[in-house]
Amino acid sequence: GIQVEQSPPDLILQEGANSTLRCNFSDSVNNLQWFHQNPWGQLINLFYIPSGTKQNGRLSATTVATERYSLLYISSSQTTDSGVYFCAVQPSGGSYIPTFGRGTSLIVHP
Amino acid sequence: KAGVTQTPRYLIKTRGQQVTLSCSPISGHRSVSWYQQTPGQGLQFLFEYFSETQRNKGNFPGRFSGRQFSNSRSEMNVSTLELGDSALYLCASSSLGLASGGLSYEQYFGPGTRLTVT
Repeated sequence: GIQVEQSPPDLILQEGANSTLRCNFSDSVNNLQWFHQNPWGQLINLFYIPSGTKQNGRLSATTVATERYSLLYISSSQTTDSGVYFCAVQPSGGSYIPTFGRGTSLIVHP
Repeated sequence: KAGVTQTPRYLIKTRGQQVTLSCSPISGHRSVSWYQQTPGQGLQFLFEYFSETQRNKGNFPGRFSGRQFSNSRSEMNVSTLELGDSALYLCASSSLGLASGGLSYEQYFGPGTRLTVT
């Protein structure tokens, strides 16, 4: 099946810093989403972005489907950004079953 | 619009027992998928129901089953619980099914049910 790799696995920042999270996938995809999992376990939708670039406040994402990667940018990080960030892809062939990466754990210190 | 709801939020069971978890999708959504999240295996797809039919199934034993009702609410059942079934169980709803292929498939997740098996 499709492989999804996220990097870095862990990230520690000071409040106000910027960061880039990466998601690489091994095969062509129809859909890609970025999620933020808060400390209570809730997965919150950040972006639905199978291709192109989107922005939402301090967050933006870019997916280059032809090169099989996606990037999530967090600018001016805040302590509330702490948590785990997941990307999930839906392969374009076969079973279409969504596959999640292992996530990037982000800690933002005040 | 109300989000995805899951009940119960927390559950403690003993090995050998069975458990039923419930998920109510966003109004109008017909697809409900279930996932298991553990520290060791991460987030893994269990199965998807669309219009009361199981359309896709992940690599889990037959002890894991589910169903979907005509109002799109879904239940997941785990029989003969094992210690390794301790996990966060998440459900997600979508307006389209997985098999929609190239069309927009965007999932919205509920808060999860944290199951502990002792």
